[in-house]
Amino acid sequence: GAVVSQHPSWVICKSGTSVKIECRSLDFQATTMFWYRQFPKQSLMLMATSNEGSKATYEQGVEKDKFLINHASLTLSTLTVTSAHPEDSSFYICSATEYEQYFGPGTRLTVT
Amino acid sequence: DAKTTQPTSMDCAEGRAANLPCNHSTISGNEYVYWYRQIHSQGPQYIIHGLKNNETNEMASLIITEDRKSSTLILPHATLRDTAVYYCIVRVVVEPLGAQKLVFGQGTRLTINP
Repeated sequence: GAVVSQHPSWVICKSGTSVKIECRSLDFQATTMFWYRQFPKQSLMLMATSNEGSKATYEQGVEKDKFLINHASLTLSTLTVTSAHPEDSSFYICSATEYEQYFGPGTRLTVT
Repeated sequence: DAKTTQPTSMDCAEGRAANLPCNHSTISGNEYVYWYRQIHSQGPQYIIHGLKNNETNEMASLIITEDRKSSTLILPHATLRDTAVYYCIVRVVVEPLGAQKLVFGQGTRLTINP
């Protein structure tokens, strides 16, 4: 089946720094990938739709200048959390579609 | 906003069938019913989907009522590894598939007890 990977699986960073999270479709090409965020005991919330070769589409309330998305190839999308703050600490999950939408294992970000 | 309503939590004994209900009374004719599950601290896993007819795969069965206003996901022989949050989602399926985003509700926390 389709496999989506994320790197890193967890990261700790200091407040004010930037963190990059990678999402890869390992055995298929994905022109569109999605980025979600999940806080403890809550459901997944879609942050943005990442389109290969074009600008990402952000959901209402998500700051595009804070969460930079780059989809430079058909198998890789990156999410950069800029000037991270403790309230950005969360579980970030990406997904890509091959017939159905498949999710990565998630990246747990802790900002100290 | 999510267009589905699910019970917050359910319990099921190991080895028994787990039946998870979902209400989607405002579903449109071109919307499918999808089920995903999320085991703790992992990404969601696709389970099954359907439009009108009942569906079965190696993981589960999906029963959709004739009026399509509700559905039930059935795990025939639940194991401890089936403990997870189960999400019922309705979505339009049009090409290109990649453009279809998913809207997650709160899901049902299913606990399988030994």
